[in-house]
Amino acid sequence: DIQMTQSPSSLSASVGDRVTITCRASQGIRNDLGWYQQKPGKAPKRLIYAASTLQSGVPSRFSGSGSGTEFTLTISSLQPEDFATYYCLQHNSYPLEFGQGTKVEIK
Amino acid sequence: EVQLLESGGDLVQPGGSLRLSCAASGFTFSSYAMSWVRQAPGKGLEWVSAISGGGGTTHYADSVKGRFTISRDNSKNTLSLQMNSLRAEDTAVYYCAKMERLSGNSNSIVDYWGQGTLVTVSS
Repeated sequence: DIQMTQSPSSLSASVGDRVTITCRASQGIRNDLGWYQQKPGKAPKRLIYAASTLQSGVPSRFSGSGSGTEFTLTISSLQPEDFATYYCLQHNSYPLEFGQGTKVEIK
Repeated sequence: EVQLLESGGDLVQPGGSLRLSCAASGFTFSSYAMSWVRQAPGKGLEWVSAISGGGGTTHYADSVKGRFTISRDNSKNTLSLQMNSLRAEDTAVYYCAKMERLSGNSNSIVDYWGQGTLVTVSS
């Protein structure tokens, strides 16, 4: 099974900051990775698929990069509505595996 | 517009059974794989099970294998999850999720989520 290690588990940042979240796969997964945003009490929402393709309607301040075993989600300029928890998901092989999540909090 | 509406969540005793359903609309249901994903209170997301568009292929997380059964009725645009031998650790919000195949040589990935239904396993 493929294990996903996401870091950090939480971070504090200010509006306007650049934020970077990382997911590492225990073995190569090509670009079979997505990123999701979840706000409290709500269902997750997909932000990125195929490691770097922005979901339609998602602001361009979100970007994804990486391939193989190392992946990054970047928020170029953090906005108030971006305070949430973020998860990566590998779909290269079953069982699908989410990262542990990164909670982005207001500094 | 894709809509996924889960139902069936309830309070059940350990060892008991429960059946979750998900009514899908806004897309050609039989053309897409579907998944169940759960989230225990205050915890992260955990993928539970997936089923192919035709229903002939299923996958399960090790934590539920042998206890849970995923199925679908494409004539009714409905996804189901039969949960048996429930344990306290199965307590979670269960999300129904549509999947999308991005290319011919990759597995599908979740693109849309329902709002979830709460399953509580407790005596």
